[in-house]
Amino acid sequence: GDSVTQMEGPVTLSEEAFLTINCTYTATGYPSLFWYVQYPGEGLQLLLKATKADDKGSNKGFEATYRKETTSFHLEKGSVQVSDSAVYFCALSDRGKDGNKLVFGAGTILRVKS
Amino acid sequence: DVKVTQSSRYLVKRTGEKVFLECVQDMDHENMFWYRQDPGLGLRLIYFSYDVKMKEKGDIPEGYSVSREKKERFSLILESASTNQTSMYLCASRTTTGNTDTQYFGPGTRLTVL
Repeated sequence: GDSVTQMEGPVTLSEEAFLTINCTYTATGYPSLFWYVQYPGEGLQLLLKATKADDKGSNKGFEATYRKETTSFHLEKGSVQVSDSAVYFCALSDRGKDGNKLVFGAGTILRVKS
Repeated sequence: DVKVTQSSRYLVKRTGEKVFLECVQDMDHENMFWYRQDPGLGLRLIYFSYDVKMKEKGDIPEGYSVSREKKERFSLILESASTNQTSMYLCASRTTTGNTDTQYFGPGTRLTVL
């Protein structure tokens, strides 16, 4: 079945450092790809998405590009802030016959220190 | 804005008790989902519902049941709670209108079974 693999955390960075969180996937067909973020004590929020190959999703300074050739959707940010500390989930939309379900990676904890 | 609410943020129950987790969405979404979130495992789908009175098993339905009598409400039921059901439970909803795969999440219910 479809699956998503994320780099293990926690990732600890200093403020203004460059962030990369790796995400690779396996899927039949052409899924949409997502990054969700979970701030402490809250539910998941959609951070960005991409629906086809070479699309770039972006939001709040974060970016990720849908790379079909490497089956990847790595999350990047040029300069992280303390407020970016959260858990980040990569996910794909499984467009099966039963409708669209999300398949999630295990999540990556990001800690940003001042 | 889409709003998904869950009846409790924190819940403590005893082994063998019947537990109801309620989820309400206010955007007339057709699809609703229940996930559980555990460290290192990401989110795993328990059950989902395409529409009123329709339900499908997800990846880990054992020990759970669901009810969807009204479009806005999706209930998760633990018939006889066990300690291995201690987890964070997240509800989500999604519209089938338009070309969107995005799911919107509630804040979660942290359930502890003693």
